[in-house]
Amino acid sequence: QVYLVESGGGVVQPGRSLRLSCAASGFNFRTYGMYWVRQAPGKGLEWVAVIWFDGSKKYYADSVKGRFTISRDNSKNTLYLQMNSLGAEDTAVYYCARGWSGYHDYWGQGTLVTVSS
Amino acid sequence: DIQLTQSPSFLSASVGDRVTITCRASQGISSYLAWFQQKAGKAPKLLIYAASTLQSGVPSRFSGSGSGTEFTLTISSLQPEDFATYYCQQLNSYPITFGQGTRLEIK
Repeated sequence: QVYLVESGGGVVQPGRSLRLSCAASGFNFRTYGMYWVRQAPGKGLEWVAVIWFDGSKKYYADSVKGRFTISRDNSKNTLYLQMNSLGAEDTAVYYCARGWSGYHDYWGQGTLVTVSS
Repeated sequence: DIQLTQSPSFLSASVGDRVTITCRASQGISSYLAWFQQKAGKAPKLLIYAASTLQSGVPSRFSGSGSGTEFTLTISSLQPEDFATYYCQQLNSYPITFGQGTRLEIK
């Protein structure tokens, strides 16, 4: 059974940083690309970033490029999202998802990030 | 960036109805399209990938078609558990993008 469990969300002040984690189990984590996707309250889905299975390639949405960094530790079966210079527009539920042939086939339950003073 | 436009944005239908949702891409994306279902407070669920391939475990009343710039998701006979929001997603090129969503509600 594939499990993805996000953590690290919470309330953070504008301009501050936060790191999200996604713990994976039930599959061979080191052989899959992984994604972050977010959803602002009451809004649609927004793709955030992808990291290749070995960490060799990373791509970002324009809205987070230069502020967010996706990374992974294959020895710990964990995906990360380092978020810097946070603004109100980053308030959202953040989901991690597994990439199977590129498609987002399994998702975590999400972690809520609220940027507010 | 590739823009995806779903229509309609809101759909009211009854149990047993056949419904179709359309997703149009701003440029050709071959068949690199997925459809998701999302219920309130839950993570999205992959229904269809590669435009027309049903994900394992998804009921056969769901089907997808299309290629290039126009795609459709069809539910052949709506069931009560199908009332949700549906999103298309393109994976032809980065950044990956989603449609704005179609909210399907009970009439």
